[in-house]
Amino acid sequence: EILMTQSPATLSVSPGERATLSCRASQSVSGNLAWYQQKPGQAPRLLIYGAFTRATGVPARFSGSGSGTEFTLTISSLQSEDFAIYYCQQFNYWPSTFGGGTKVEIK
Amino acid sequence: QVTLKESGPALVKPTQTLTLTCTFSGFSLGSTGMRVAWIRQPPGKALEWLARIDWDDDKFYSTSLKTRLTISRDTSKNQVVVTMTNMDPVDTATYYCARLREHSFGVLEFWGQGILVTVSS
Repeated sequence: EILMTQSPATLSVSPGERATLSCRASQSVSGNLAWYQQKPGQAPRLLIYGAFTRATGVPARFSGSGSGTEFTLTISSLQSEDFAIYYCQQFNYWPSTFGGGTKVEIK
Repeated sequence: QVTLKESGPALVKPTQTLTLTCTFSGFSLGSTGMRVAWIRQPPGKALEWLARIDWDDDKFYSTSLKTRLTISRDTSKNQVVVTMTNMDPVDTATYYCARLREHSFGVLEFWGQGILVTVSS
């Protein structure tokens, strides 16, 4: 199985600042990567797929980049509603696998 | 509008078989390119993909859990059912069903609210 490693585990950011989250795959997954946001008590929400395509209704402050084994999710200016846990997921190989998550918390 | 909702027992005993049902609306699993998956999340932990069923009834299972899982569908009822045998306390988790983005093999576009299943005697 493909191992997805996210860093850092926790990111402390002040509102209005930029947040940069990393995701690394144990082998190339091409561009077949998605990002999800999860708030406490809620199901995950699709943010980004195909490494950089925003899902419907996702604000433009969220952007994804990368290919192969290294991927980044950037939140350009954190809003209060963005404090959550973010997961990356590869779907280039079956079974699809998720990273361990990055918690974005208020600094 | 696509919606999905999980149903099933909140509590199961060790060694029992868990049966969960995903009832959905807003799409037909019989339509080309449609896929539904089950994913779980132990408390405070990351997500884990369990199984997937496709519009043509192809089925795919987690490598580590495939001997315990069965996924099936009832297209007429708009339901997908997953069973997991020999439940153990480590299987305590919130179980989600999700519809994949059309024609995608892995993008989970629409999610149910999840159901917490506790395994305890």
